[in-house]
This record gives sequence, C-alpha cells and structure tokens, in this order.
Amino acid sequence: DGGITQSPKYLFRKEGQNVTLSCEQNLNHDAMYWYRQDPGQGLRLIYYSQIVNDFQKGDIAEGYSVSREKKESFPLTVTSAQKNPTAFYLCASSTIEAGKDEAFFGQGTRLTVV
Amino acid sequence: AQRVTQPEKLLSVFKGAPVELKCNYSYSGSPELFWYVQYSRQRLQLLLRHISRESIKGFTADLNKGETSFHLKKPFAQEEDSAMYYCALGQAGTALIFGKGTTLSVSS
Repeated sequence: DGGITQSPKYLFRKEGQNVTLSCEQNLNHDAMYWYRQDPGQGLRLIYYSQIVNDFQKGDIAEGYSVSREKKESFPLTVTSAQKNPTAFYLCASSTIEAGKDEAFFGQGTRLTVV
Repeated sequence: AQRVTQPEKLLSVFKGAPVELKCNYSYSGSPELFWYVQYSRQRLQLLLRHISRESIKGFTADLNKGETSFHLKKPFAQEEDSAMYYCALGQAGTALIFGKGTTLSVSS
C-alpha cells in the first residue's frame, strides 16, 4: 500500500522538551516537506528536502530541525526553542519532475504542549 | 516576494448555487498554480492544477496572468463539496506556497 505515513497521530509534550515527529514515504519521491497548519494561517513551510542529506529552511524554521538520512524518511524535531509548538503538522512528498510534482500529504500529527 | 492570497476565510452557499473561490498570486516568473482540498477527517489532496486544464468533480480553474488570479469555480454546488480549499503556487526547485485557505460550506 503506497503512501506517506506520519506518526504518531497525537503527541503531547511538556514544555522544555524536544519531540520528534516521524514521516515515512514509499512512493520513491525525491522531495519531502514539512508544513505547519494553524487555524486562519493556512500551511506554512518549515523545512523541505529535495535530495538525501540536503535540506533547506522554509519560512518558519526557527525552533525546528530535520534530517534526511534516507530517501524514505524525513523526521521533524520540535525543539524547546520553538515558542509556540502546539499545532497540526503535515508532511508531504513529491517527485521533482516538472509537471508530475503533485504533493502527497500524510494524515498529520497534532502536537499539544502541556 | 511570492505570495498567494485567498481573501475569503469562509464561503457559505446553498446547494445548487454557483461557487467561486478566489485566489490571487504574486510571482515573478511563470507560475504553476494548484488547488488542494481537505475534506473532513481526510488528508489534504490535489484537486486540480492549471496545466492540466481538467474539470475535477465539476470544478474548473483558469489561470489569468493579467489579473494574476486562479479562481476555482463550480456552476452547481453539492453538499459533498463542503471542505477547506487551498490555493498553492509552485516554484521550480522549491516547495509549494499555500494561501490561508477558504472553508466552503454548502447547505441544503
């Protein structure tokens, strides 16, 4: 069953703790992305990666970190430096071939800081 | 700077009425525009893209470069069209830029 999987679906974190959100895809896509979705804010880009071992900051990268050690995986770490981490996080992947670069999204992870 | 603007947070229509969800963009090159949709309890998915010129679920969108717009239209709304709709701008070699989204509510 091909697709993009995010885990966990719900995550609770205490203030001051780092937490890592998982994103895995078996679509053989080169590019992967992390977005944050807040009510009234739309989707804002955190980080993206177009190739293994390389990634770029998006518009709101502060307080987040990523790694891309494998093509299939693009985990996102929300660090204690992120001032307002409670949000819905969406991971996506796509090819980088022009005209065929539809982004496929995961089901999302809802992170709540308690 | 590249930007996507969706001026309406919420659009409420009656079943059978025409629908137009507005999208304007700012981009210095040749844009690639998309509409994504998120139904309740489902993941965000592509609805249509301007280069395909398709009609999906009765929706169409025409890229107007003069007005820098990519409005989504449907002549007769259905209740199952109720969802969150996002307009997005594609840039070669980078990630999609999304608007803030418009919630479409279709009631009978």
